[in-house]
Amino acid sequence: DTGVSQDPRHKITKRGQNVTFRCDPISEHNRLYWYRQTLGQGPEFLTYFQNEAQLEKSRLLSDRFSAERPKGSFSTLEIQRTEQGDSAMYLCASSFPHFAEQYFGPGTRLTVT
Amino acid sequence: LAKTTQPISMDSYEGQEVNITCSHNNIATNDYITWYQQFPSQGPRFIIQGYKTKVTNEVASLFIPADRKSSTLSLPRVSLSDTAVYYCLVVPISSGSARQLTFGSGTQLTVLP
Repeated sequence: DTGVSQDPRHKITKRGQNVTFRCDPISEHNRLYWYRQTLGQGPEFLTYFQNEAQLEKSRLLSDRFSAERPKGSFSTLEIQRTEQGDSAMYLCASSFPHFAEQYFGPGTRLTVT
Repeated sequence: LAKTTQPISMDSYEGQEVNITCSHNNIATNDYITWYQQFPSQGPRFIIQGYKTKVTNEVASLFIPADRKSSTLSLPRVSLSDTAVYYCLVVPISSGSARQLTFGSGTQLTVLP
């Protein structure tokens, strides 16, 4: 296990379409995080899981966004009815049960046209 | 929530020591200080974490004064490959809200030959 992986690395979609991203964390880690990053800004927290339980979501997270981690291993992030403002890099990270020392994946760059 | 403030950018020359300071005036007793490095089109990479005084690892040192209202990341003898954005992030030790996990804008370090 060499690190956090994300798939796809790039996604271009048309406005109104649904998209789903996958994250595979480091296997020993039980926490998994999703972030969004736009150009020139730092990553913005979206949600996190401890094992299969989704413990917290950002209050800024639209109800068009949903995340799952059904067996406490990989996670998916779905965006329904995409908007141009959803264009960003979506980052996944994992850690042991503490917030420090997170390991990030390479991200999925979403472009909504 | 502990808001962080860093310089927007810094320039240095190869071989010099670089110190990047982060201000976090309202840090809480149960908060840790962490630093990440990010290259373009990659996820952030964890560098170092600390609670108080000084922490050193193979890539950096972290200096934290007694009042913990600021911290300084020290990179010894930088090279061109250290050109990146550096983020300071204050996080709760274990429990607490994940809302603190939103990164600021970071410090763009440019190392010149």
